[in-house]
Amino acid sequence: GESVGLHLPTLSVQEGDNSIINCAYSNSASDYFIWYKQESGKGPQFIIDIRSNMDKRQGQRVTVLLNKTVKHLSLQIAATQPGDSAVYFCAENTRTGNQFYFGTGTSLTVIP
Amino acid sequence: DSGVTQTPKHLITATGQRVTLRCSPRSGDLSVYWYQQSLDQGLQFLIHYYNGEERAKGNILERFSAQQFPDLHSELNLSSLELGDSALYFCASSAGDGYGYTFGSGTRLTVV
Repeated sequence: GESVGLHLPTLSVQEGDNSIINCAYSNSASDYFIWYKQESGKGPQFIIDIRSNMDKRQGQRVTVLLNKTVKHLSLQIAATQPGDSAVYFCAENTRTGNQFYFGTGTSLTVIP
Repeated sequence: DSGVTQTPKHLITATGQRVTLRCSPRSGDLSVYWYQQSLDQGLQFLIHYYNGEERAKGNILERFSAQQFPDLHSELNLSSLELGDSALYFCASSAGDGYGYTFGSGTRLTVV
């Protein structure tokens, strides 16, 4: 299978600060990446995606950066809110049948 | 509500038994994916079906099998259950290659 890993298993931030969650991937052929958010007791929820022909993509309060040279992906959350507390997964797609391979996740805790 | 429906939400069964998990994909989606999430683990890809046909297999045990029916709903069959099979089982659907997943809320399986 693919190897998608996360640098930090846990992250605590103060409410209102920015959060950065990092992810390393191993397959240089991967061309599509998604960040998912999973709250306790729920299924993963799509946050933002990026394709390999882009370096940066912005959504509402979230930005994903892709560095293909070092095979690194990051998720930036601006003005982190208590509702952002969750486990965040990066997922990598290598075009082989549209299977996504997920990292183990980073647990984000927002301190009020 | 993501549009992907999984039943049952919870299942408790004994070792050696067989269970069937059910998934109805989001309307219009032809692809169904099954993932297993064990405690403190990421999402492990099990199997992918597209329009009734098996598309790809991941880390799926021989004791496990799946199928997708003409109405596009899918079932994951787990047999000869072991304690280690206790996990969350997620189903996801997508419109096709190059599209992200929409996940259901999962089935929590506990084997005792």
